Amino acid sequence: GIQVEQSPPDLILQEGANSTLRCNFSDSVNNLQWFHQNPWGQLINLFYIPSGTKQNGRLSATTVATERYSLLYISSSQTTDSGVYFCAATTDSWGKLQFGAGTQVVVTP
Amino acid sequence: KAGVTQTPRYLIKTRGQQVTLSCSPISGHRSVSWYQQTPGQGLQFLFEYFSETQRNKGNFPGRFSGRQFSNSRSEMNVSTLELGDSALYLCASSLSGSADTQYFGPGTRLTVL
Repeated sequence: GIQVEQSPPDLILQEGANSTLRCNFSDSVNNLQWFHQNPWGQLINLFYIPSGTKQNGRLSATTVATERYSLLYISSSQTTDSGVYFCAATTDSWGKLQFGAGTQVVVTP
Repeated sequence: KAGVTQTPRYLIKTRGQQVTLSCSPISGHRSVSWYQQTPGQGLQFLFEYFSETQRNKGNFPGRFSGRQFSNSRSEMNVSTLELGDSALYLCASSLSGSADTQYFGPGTRLTVL
């Protein structure tokens, strides 16, 4: 099955800093999503982005499908951005999303 | 639209017992997937249901089972609980399957003593 790798595993930021999270995947995908998991465990959908670029406020994402990677950009980080960011991908029309191991982000005041 | 709901939110059981977890998807969504999240193994796929049929299954023992009802609500059952079954169980709802945007519920945190 598809392999999904995320880097870095941990990231400590000062409030106001910018950062880039990376997701590499091993095969062509028909779904790639970025999620933020809050401290209570809820996975919040950030982007559905199997290709192209999207922006939502201070967050943006780019997937280069031909080179099999996706990037999540956090600009002007805030303490509420803390949590674990996951990317997940699939090559199937049904079935499972394969999740990466996540990037733990801590934003300090 | 209401989001994905899961009940119960927290559960404490003892080894050998069985447990049933429930997931109600977003209205109009017909696909429900289940995932187990543990610190050691991360997020692992359990199974996916669409129109009351299991379409895909992950690598979990037969103690883990599920079903989906005609209103798309889904339940998963774990029999003969083991300590290692302690985890956060998450369900995801989508229109028709994994190629669509997945929306997750808040999860059920199961502790097995």
